[in-house]
Amino acid sequence: NAGVTQTPKFQVLKTGQSMTLQCAQDMNHEYMSWYRQDPGMGLRLIHYSVGAGITDQGEVPNGYNVSRSTTEDFPLRLLSAAPSQTSVYFCASSYGLVGGEQFFGPGTRLTVL
Amino acid sequence: AQSVTQLDSQVPVFEEAPVELRCNYSSSVSVYLFWYVQYPNQGLQLLLKYLSGSTLVESINGFEAEFNKSQTSFHLRKPSVHISDTAEYFCAVSGFFGNEKLTFGTGTRLTIIP
Repeated sequence: NAGVTQTPKFQVLKTGQSMTLQCAQDMNHEYMSWYRQDPGMGLRLIHYSVGAGITDQGEVPNGYNVSRSTTEDFPLRLLSAAPSQTSVYFCASSYGLVGGEQFFGPGTRLTVL
Repeated sequence: AQSVTQLDSQVPVFEEAPVELRCNYSSSVSVYLFWYVQYPNQGLQLLLKYLSGSTLVESINGFEAEFNKSQTSFHLRKPSVHISDTAEYFCAVSGFFGNEKLTFGTGTRLTIIP
């Protein structure tokens, strides 16, 4: 099993550009989520999904879109990148929402100039 | 709503010395508690978790944490640290009845001094 994979590992964008961060898991997990990690702020939930076709907002959803067309994939779209979106982004998946271990991908380091 | 407080952002410890990383939480419902570890340039990995039963939980690499409901704490301890324990440690909480999402603390960076 590859676990949770994320691409790209690094990305530099200019303000106003759009892009998609890819996330895939091969563990047949129903629950997937996106977090951003910023110094001194821990991990903050952006969006999450409890299954194919079902997504919901987390703590910091503004400026991001998600969709879940398959169990395996959960891409995160930045619509119009802003410097405030410079961060490290982590995708995670788990068997369930309550009490389950979340498995994290290696992260994408995004810089917006 | 629930929240997690990790008071120490950085903890330097000499090799083979004991360490305690503090975590306090607040929640209006029953909770599950977790410690995740992030080694340099990697994603997070589950270190240990409390779901129910014994309030003392242990990891395979010598860490332990005790759930204290009266003090709303879940402190992480290790009696003797190694260089390989250098990492950032995150406490997290999830609950029930609409509070199932995982909420993380701000993290504690553990630095081991040789």
